Amino acid sequence: DADVTQTPRNRITKTGKRIMLECSQTKGHDRMYWYRQDPGLGLRLIYYSFDVKDINKGEISDGYSVSRQAQAKFSLSLESAIPNQTALYFCATSVAAGETQYFGPGTRLLVL
Amino acid sequence: TQLLEQSPQFLSIQEGENLTVYCNSSSVFSSLQWYRQEPGEGPVLLVTVVTGGEVKKLKRLTFQFGDARKDSSLHITAAQPGDTGLYLCAGAGGTSYGKLTFGQGTILTVHP
Repeated sequence: DADVTQTPRNRITKTGKRIMLECSQTKGHDRMYWYRQDPGLGLRLIYYSFDVKDINKGEISDGYSVSRQAQAKFSLSLESAIPNQTALYFCATSVAAGETQYFGPGTRLLVL
Repeated sequence: TQLLEQSPQFLSIQEGENLTVYCNSSSVFSSLQWYRQEPGEGPVLLVTVVTGGEVKKLKRLTFQFGDARKDSSLHITAAQPGDTGLYLCAGAGGTSYGKLTFGQGTILTVHP
């Protein structure tokens, strides 16, 4: 079984809709991250969490919110989706700062 | 804000050729990680370099960390079609404590 899972894997939604992307991990890591990937831009950090009580904004947090429901679960929400949020979204975990990040398989989101 | 400039963005070569991917920054990083991503999957760590001037080899892949810990390179000898993928460098430490700064990525295609 995969250590980091993301649901859904693919999602099509309309402008203005609220959607949630979910991430679960069985690695026992405290640190979790949400990234978006766009062609030619690499991975850009949206939000990160060092533990259940610690949530931090990344470089592109506008239009997004997160919830850390438990050590193993970190959800990303788009309150009112817009077309330029069409991207590939990845969740990742790590045991400590600067250590290897373990990525989920990604969620491909299309906002019409 | 720390930036990592990765080049080239695209690389299309024939099987058996050698290639080098570069990752450059004006910032100092405590370590530099290289990831490889295949279609439909999340990035997977290849190697981490920590010491200035360090060279690590992984079969036909050679990774080097610059003496000043501001740049890194990935050299592939005798590329094979199985090397095809997206290669990402990521810097840890410096002013981005607890997070990774990713380069834009290099899409490598190796033709049989």
